Amino acid sequence: NAGVTQTPKFQVLKTGQSMTLQCAQDMNHNSMYWYRQDPGMGLRLIYYSASEGTTDKGEVPNGYNVSRLNKREFSLRLESAAPSQTSVYFCASSRLASGELFFGEGSRLTVL
Amino acid sequence: EDQVTQSPEALRLQEGESSSLNCSYTVSGLRGLFWYRQDPGKGPEFLFTLYSAGEEKEKERLKATLTKKESFLHITAPKPEDSATYLCAVQAGTGNQFYFGTGTSLTVIP
Repeated sequence: NAGVTQTPKFQVLKTGQSMTLQCAQDMNHNSMYWYRQDPGMGLRLIYYSASEGTTDKGEVPNGYNVSRLNKREFSLRLESAAPSQTSVYFCASSRLASGELFFGEGSRLTVL
Repeated sequence: EDQVTQSPEALRLQEGESSSLNCSYTVSGLRGLFWYRQDPGKGPEFLFTLYSAGEEKEKERLKATLTKKESFLHITAPKPEDSATYLCAVQAGTGNQFYFGTGTSLTVIP
């Protein structure tokens, strides 16, 4: 049982480049989330999707876009990467909008 | 503004030395308080959910409790494998957001 799978695990970008982080879950969960984790800041919500076909902004959405491709997949896109977006990104899912989150192993992004 | 504060930031214990981690919160309409464990280089792993003051949950050497303003994660006779960062999160109001604390880094020395 894979749970939540994120790709890529590591990525280095130059300022201004674009990229997409992919996330897929095989637990038939309705809700999916993208967080970033920075030292001393804790986990901060970027975007979430309460159910297939819906997406909403979280605490720090600027500079990001998301797509809920289907019930399994939720992608995060950086259109023009900035050094401030250097972080560890986590995708998570939950069965309902309320309830425990299941996290992927993270994607470590460095923007030079 | 909704806030979650965890203390201490770091804790070093000798194996077998019991202690507690604190998570204090200021939110309107608490729907749930969650504890997670995070190992280096990994994603957080769910431990407990608490919904109302007075509730307690246990798992092996861990016990989580909840009051109206804070939660404690009690670690009894810890072992080196309990070393990790422990995160607290709350869900409040009508939104779908979880608010996370910055975590307590626990090191258990053999």
